[in-house]
Amino acid sequence: GEDVEQSLFLSVREGDSSVINCTYTDSSSTYLYWYKQEPGAGLQLLTYIFSNMDMKQDQRLTVLLNKKDKHLSLRIADTQTGDSAIYFCAVPRNNQGGKLIFGQGTELSVKP
Amino acid sequence: IAGITQAPTSQILAAGRRMTLRCTQDMRHNAMYWYRQDLGLGLRLIHYSNTAGTTGKGEVPDGYSVSRANTDDFPLTLASAVPSQTSVYFCASSDSGSAGNEQFFGPGTRLTVL
Repeated sequence: GEDVEQSLFLSVREGDSSVINCTYTDSSSTYLYWYKQEPGAGLQLLTYIFSNMDMKQDQRLTVLLNKKDKHLSLRIADTQTGDSAIYFCAVPRNNQGGKLIFGQGTELSVKP
Repeated sequence: IAGITQAPTSQILAAGRRMTLRCTQDMRHNAMYWYRQDLGLGLRLIHYSNTAGTTGKGEVPDGYSVSRANTDDFPLTLASAVPSQTSVYFCASSDSGSAGNEQFFGPGTRLTVL
């Protein structure tokens, strides 16, 4: 079945770059998303990339998409303690429009 | 109200009891969703509604029911709660049920079934 996989934890030092990886199985995904969940809160859309793009940059965030390997990554430059959160990769369910499949979430811990 | 609200914030429930989780949005979004979040499993879709008057089953619908009588409200009912339904429940909405529409999430309801 359709699947989205992420590693569960990532720990970095403040000021370093963080790279959060995601692999997916559904090759028909048109949009691929990164959501952020801060402690005790719901998810908020962080950024997204359209499937005809290889890279998207937005301030400290860089999204890379390798369609051949079905691999998506989120790079956060100059990581700050306020970036500590859980990051979810999400892709649309095959032929089911807006319904999303979420990865397990990667908990990013930023140490001062 | 701004965005999506959920009630209650948290609840402890005895097994076998009936419970309705409430979700209301004021963005006039057509599509609404219910997810459960469990450690190590991410978010899993329980039920969805593409527009008022219609609902559909998601990935893990068993033991849950929903209704969509109007655009704003999308309650989730557990007819007879079981301990495996202990989870954090998130309601979300999007402008339409099509791909490419951002989903907006509520703050969640933490449910414990004993």
